[in-house]
Amino acid sequence: DAGVIQSPRHEVTEMGQEVTLRCKPISGHDYLFWYRQTMMRGLELLIYFNNNVPIDDSGMPEDRFSAKMPNASFSTLKIQPSEPRDSAVYFCASNNGRGGTGNTIYFGEGSWLTVV
Amino acid sequence: GENVEQHPSTLSVQEGDSAVIKCTYSDSASNYFPWYKQELGKGPQLIIDIRSNVGEKKDQRIAVTLNKTAKHFSLHITETQPEDSAVYFCAASTHLSNFGNEKLTFGTGTRLTIIP
Repeated sequence: DAGVIQSPRHEVTEMGQEVTLRCKPISGHDYLFWYRQTMMRGLELLIYFNNNVPIDDSGMPEDRFSAKMPNASFSTLKIQPSEPRDSAVYFCASNNGRGGTGNTIYFGEGSWLTVV
Repeated sequence: GENVEQHPSTLSVQEGDSAVIKCTYSDSASNYFPWYKQELGKGPQLIIDIRSNVGEKKDQRIAVTLNKTAKHFSLHITETQPEDSAVYFCAASTHLSNFGNEKLTFGTGTRLTIIP
């Protein structure tokens, strides 16, 4: 299996620009998670989907952040407008939620975002 | 919500010696405790996990212990090797749904360095 695939791996953008991060979960996984990692706050869950439906977005920092999952194999996390404090590594993760070994959450390699 | 504290934040160990990382959690309802290893430039990867009905679990050089009464759990790495150098995260969660999925709260991480 190819694992969770994220793009872009690195992005440098200017403050105020729109940023779109993309994720392809592992085939057959029906849960998808977006995490953010910073030195100050560690790993934070932003939002997660089950069967393409957003279940809990309580971790989304503010209205500038939005996430979609139009189908089982694709999700986006959008920041508009971006700010320097959004600089972080954004991870997408997935699992099949069926208990046992299905509880393992698999992470992608991350998208390293720098907003200048 | 759940709060997970992790210590130490950095740990240097001579190759061949053992390393121990400790975590405490706040929510007595938490029943799933995974440990993730994150290498430089990569996403976290599950290395071992334990459920609340078990006090100890071992996988080759890695073991995890859980004390539900005290609400703490620990990672033990024996016979450390240079490739064990990485950042290690503990996490805790309760079931999200009847399918047993997990909404993880992560510790702040421990940077482990193995000295050759």
